[in-house]
Amino acid sequence: DAGITQSPRHKVTETGTPVTLRCHQTENHRYMYWYRQDPGHGLRLIHYSYGVKDTDKGEVSDGYSVSRSKTEDFLLTLESATSSQTSVYFCAISDQVGGANEQFFGPGTRLTVL
Amino acid sequence: GNSVTQMEGPVTLSEEAFLTINCTYTATGYPSLFWYVQYPGEGLQLLLKATKADDKGSNKGFEATYRKETTSFHLEKGSVQVSDSAVYFCALSDRGANSKLTFGKGITLSVRP
Repeated sequence: DAGITQSPRHKVTETGTPVTLRCHQTENHRYMYWYRQDPGHGLRLIHYSYGVKDTDKGEVSDGYSVSRSKTEDFLLTLESATSSQTSVYFCAISDQVGGANEQFFGPGTRLTVL
Repeated sequence: GNSVTQMEGPVTLSEEAFLTINCTYTATGYPSLFWYVQYPGEGLQLLLKATKADDKGSNKGFEATYRKETTSFHLEKGSVQVSDSAVYFCALSDRGANSKLTFGKGITLSVRP
C-alpha cells in the first residue's frame, strides 16, 4: 500500500469554525490531490498540487484553501465551515510516470459540520 | 471537457453470477482509463487500468477492455463473490503535465451468499 495517512479520521465541528485536514505521504510523489465524496456525485476534485508551493483549483474549490510547504504534506483548510461541507474527504497522490495519472488514495476523513 | 458515465445502480447479484458494469467516456485525445474499488469504510483502491486502445486491464478476476471505437471501458467478472461487495468507480485521465482524474458517480455492488 502507498504510504498515505490522513488526520484526523473523523471530526465534528460547528458552522463558522476553521478546520484543517492533513494529508501526509511517504512516497515522495510530486502530485497531491484533495477530493470530496458525496452521495450521487462520486469524487470531486477540490484542489491539487504539482509541487511544493504549487497548487491549483479543482472543480469545487469555493470555501477551501490549501498549502504545501513540504513534499510530504498537503493541508486542506476550511476557513469558515458550513453544513454543505459535511462530507468525506480523500487525499490522493501520484507521480504521473509514463503519462498515466494513476492515483493512490488515503483512508479518508469524515467531517461533519453542525 | 472530459466526462465519465456509469450505469445506474445499485446492483445486487447472487454469488457466482456474472458481472458487467458499464462505463462510457467522453474525452479529447487518448486518455488512460481506470477502475477503482472502494470497500466499506475505506479509501479507493486501483483495481485495473488500460492506457491505450484495445488494452485489457485485469486484476482479481476482473477485466476491462479499452474500446476506443465505442468509447467504453466496461468492467466484467465471470463469478462474483460476497467479498466483491463494494462501490466501483470508472475514471479517466488525460495525458500531459498536471493531468487530472475524472470520475464517474460510482455504482454499489452487493453480492448475496
